[in-house]
Amino acid sequence: DTGVSQNPRHKITKRGQNVTFRCDPISEHNRLYWYRQTLGQGPEFLTYFQNEAQLEKSRLLSDRFSAERPKGSFSTLEIQRTEQGDSAMYLCASNLDTSAETQYFGPGTRLLVL
Amino acid sequence: GNSVTQMEGPVTLSEEAFLTINCTYTATGYPSLFWYVQYPGEGLQLLLKATKADDKGSNKGFEATYRKETTSFHLEKGSVQVSDSAVYFCALSDRGSTLGRLYFGRGTQLTVWP
Repeated sequence: DTGVSQNPRHKITKRGQNVTFRCDPISEHNRLYWYRQTLGQGPEFLTYFQNEAQLEKSRLLSDRFSAERPKGSFSTLEIQRTEQGDSAMYLCASNLDTSAETQYFGPGTRLLVL
Repeated sequence: GNSVTQMEGPVTLSEEAFLTINCTYTATGYPSLFWYVQYPGEGLQLLLKATKADDKGSNKGFEATYRKETTSFHLEKGSVQVSDSAVYFCALSDRGSTLGRLYFGRGTQLTVWP
């Protein structure tokens, strides 16, 4: 399977704990996006990378959130001191460049903060 | 700014019924428009797209026409099947921006009964 993969698929944690999610984009895709989807809502943009450079962060991405893409391939999204409001589906998408436009999404990581 | 307003669901239809899901948008630039579909337990998949006014996107019997004068991109299918049961998201991408992020509507849950 050469699609976008995300791990873990599900994560349950206690409030105050740190969590880290991983996204492996489609090989050779240089753009990588993170979105957050809460119940009954559409995905909301969090941040995106062009190769290893993080080019924009949404105001939704508080200082407890950090994302990296150290080698321009896989990316990690870390949430520190989790809060119940962080419970959501975290989606990763990738594409080759803006002329392609179509973003290819992974299955998501569902986070539940107790 | 950029935003998408989508018909609220849920929508429940009998098999072979006609489907319309309304989508209107607001954009600062000249957007590309998309419909994504999310089947239970899966990630978002591109269903169809249109990149300029009067273009019609089509796939799997679904169609949507980019209407600049009414800022709309309504999704239609002449005869739905049980397998079409899913959540449908309308989205736009601002082609004038190098960012390429997607702006999503809230999603419409479609359930088709046999």
